[in-house]
Amino acid sequence: EVQLVESGGGLVQPGRSLRLSCAASGFTFDDFGMHWVRQSPGRGPEWVAGISWNSGKIGYAESVKGRFTISRDNAKNSVYLQMNSLRPEDTALYFCARGIWLEPFDQWGQGALVTVSS
Amino acid sequence: QSVLTQPPSASGTPGQTITISCSGSSSNIGGRHVYWYHQLPGTTPKLLIYKNNRRPSGVPDRFSGSKSGTSASLAISGLQSEDEADYYCAAWDDTLGGPKFGGGTKLTVL
Repeated sequence: EVQLVESGGGLVQPGRSLRLSCAASGFTFDDFGMHWVRQSPGRGPEWVAGISWNSGKIGYAESVKGRFTISRDNAKNSVYLQMNSLRPEDTALYFCARGIWLEPFDQWGQGALVTVSS
Repeated sequence: QSVLTQPPSASGTPGQTITISCSGSSSNIGGRHVYWYHQLPGTTPKLLIYKNNRRPSGVPDRFSGSKSGTSASLAISGLQSEDEADYYCAAWDDTLGGPKFGGGTKLTVL
């Protein structure tokens, strides 16, 4: 069974940093691209960042470019999202999602809540 | 503003067939596969259709997808009360360099 388990969410002040982790199991991790998708209350999902199977291709939404960094460790079956200079508008449930590069997602985690507030 | 355009709402009665549209451009739907998800309140989005018209195992054949040019559609036949949810289309966008979602359609079963 495919499992994606996010961790690292929490309450953080504006301007501070937070690092999300996603532990994957149940599939061959380095066969897939991995992504972070967020969803604010009452709104639809928004793609945040993605990384190809070998980290050779990386992409970011304009709203987070220069502030967020996605990375992965295939030896640990994990993907990470380093979030710096956080803003109140970054408040959302952050999902880890699996997808072949150039395709949307076929599996999602349960999400990690990030709240940016003073 | 979403790159992919969906109607904000749709409705139908039990047993009816409804269709939800998703309109894009040549940089996304026109050249890429379309995926559809549904999301019940408080839950994770669930994949309904992938690669335009394929159903993952476990998804009833009441759900079907199609694509023509720069538009796609999700059809739900034999509408049931448990189909009441938010529905999202998604496709990779070559200009923006990642997958993009439609704004979502809230389906109400009357």
